[in-house]
Amino acid sequence: SQQGEEDPQALSIQEGENATMNCSYKTSINNLQWYRQNSGRGLVHLILIRSNEREKHSGRLRVTLDTSKKSSSLLITASRAADTASYFCATAPPQFYFGTGTSLTVIP
Amino acid sequence: DAGVIQSPRHEVTEMGQEVTLRCKPISGHNSLFWYRQTMMRGLELLIYFNNNVPIDDSGMPEDRFSAKMPNASFSTLKIQPSEPRDSAVYFCASRGDNNEQFFGPGTRLTVL
Repeated sequence: SQQGEEDPQALSIQEGENATMNCSYKTSINNLQWYRQNSGRGLVHLILIRSNEREKHSGRLRVTLDTSKKSSSLLITASRAADTASYFCATAPPQFYFGTGTSLTVIP
Repeated sequence: DAGVIQSPRHEVTEMGQEVTLRCKPISGHNSLFWYRQTMMRGLELLIYFNNNVPIDDSGMPEDRFSAKMPNASFSTLKIQPSEPRDSAVYFCASRGDNNEQFFGPGTRLTVL
């Protein structure tokens, strides 16, 4: 069964604004990862946060993890039209369970 | 490295036919995953292998689906007989020691 659940399901913002997506999961994890999928393509790994970490940054990406609430958030700052994609969280171990994704549209 | 390679990229077949999807993982990766993605069900894990051994196939929908990994550089996902509801994009992914999965470009399967 799928473990991760992202919300919102769809998000539309203007270029330059920040986009925040949330992920909730059900069981204990070793790490949580965020992936991006452009239309018609495979998923691309963005960032991994371990269960003992609370926040992680990578460029314009900021991920937080709250293991007590079994939730994570992905913040994309200063969004660009090229950020338009679907974003998925995935929990491990041992295999990966992906959520249903958030579809982000950044309007130029 | 060329990344994860999948073939074919597109497959159109008629109901009842056998379909074989192929995957070549990244060299050195010891885990391989097969996923299916549809609009209705999202991304579903079908099966995964570790060191060529199937670890969890609980996501395989029916006996019509089977997967093999005869060696570290090749895996197949077979559907026999295929049905229209099997139409989806099938992704293969491999993973090394750092927990990051690398996805192939997918095979878009259409069963008429």
